[in-house]
Amino acid sequence: RKEVEQDPGPFNVPEGATVAFNCTYSNSASQSFFWYRQDCRKEPKLLMSVYSSGNEDGRFTAQLNRASQYISLLIRDSKLSDSATYLCVVIQGAQKLVFGQGTRLTINP
Amino acid sequence: DAMVIQNPRYQVTQFGKPVTLSCSQTLNHNVMYWYQQKSSQAPKLLFHYYDKDFNNEADTPDNFQSRRPNTSFCFLDIRSPGLGDAAMYLCATSRAGQGLNYGYTFGSGTRLTVV
Repeated sequence: RKEVEQDPGPFNVPEGATVAFNCTYSNSASQSFFWYRQDCRKEPKLLMSVYSSGNEDGRFTAQLNRASQYISLLIRDSKLSDSATYLCVVIQGAQKLVFGQGTRLTINP
Repeated sequence: DAMVIQNPRYQVTQFGKPVTLSCSQTLNHNVMYWYQQKSSQAPKLLFHYYDKDFNNEADTPDNFQSRRPNTSFCFLDIRSPGLGDAAMYLCATSRAGQGLNYGYTFGSGTRLTVV
């Protein structure tokens, strides 16, 4: 079983739609969780951290369910510029970032 | 204000010819990482330095080595590149201590082609 699993997609949705991504992790001791965004042939960039209470940043909402070891990302009113690969990331211990495979999203006009 | 700088951005090397990729940082972060990312795959951690302590991942081939001469610089050496080593190599830094990590910063990556 992979340490961090995501549906690789691709997801193709029309502009303005709401889209949700899911991610599961295997190590119950994991403490910190993030969503990163990676554009084609670029480095990953932090989109947002994920907290147990859930957190929102504009059109983006992240949720964590520790009991189910499940993380989600919701994008509302999607824009063309949201097209990218979204990586679920878990920190193991204090130092090790473990990436999911990534979910590829394309927003269509 | 580039904070994690990787050079070169693109590197072409011959099969079997040693190659070195470099990473420098101006953040004074104590942890530096090297990740390998192949097309359509997740970044895979090769190794990291926590201060001067080197931490190798169990499945990192011996062909990959690293050096960290000081806090600011870290190098990735590929002793005998094979065609399967063609990938994007990402350097990242973080500030960690007392069991906590305060966030990561990635460089722009070096795309390695082996011919």
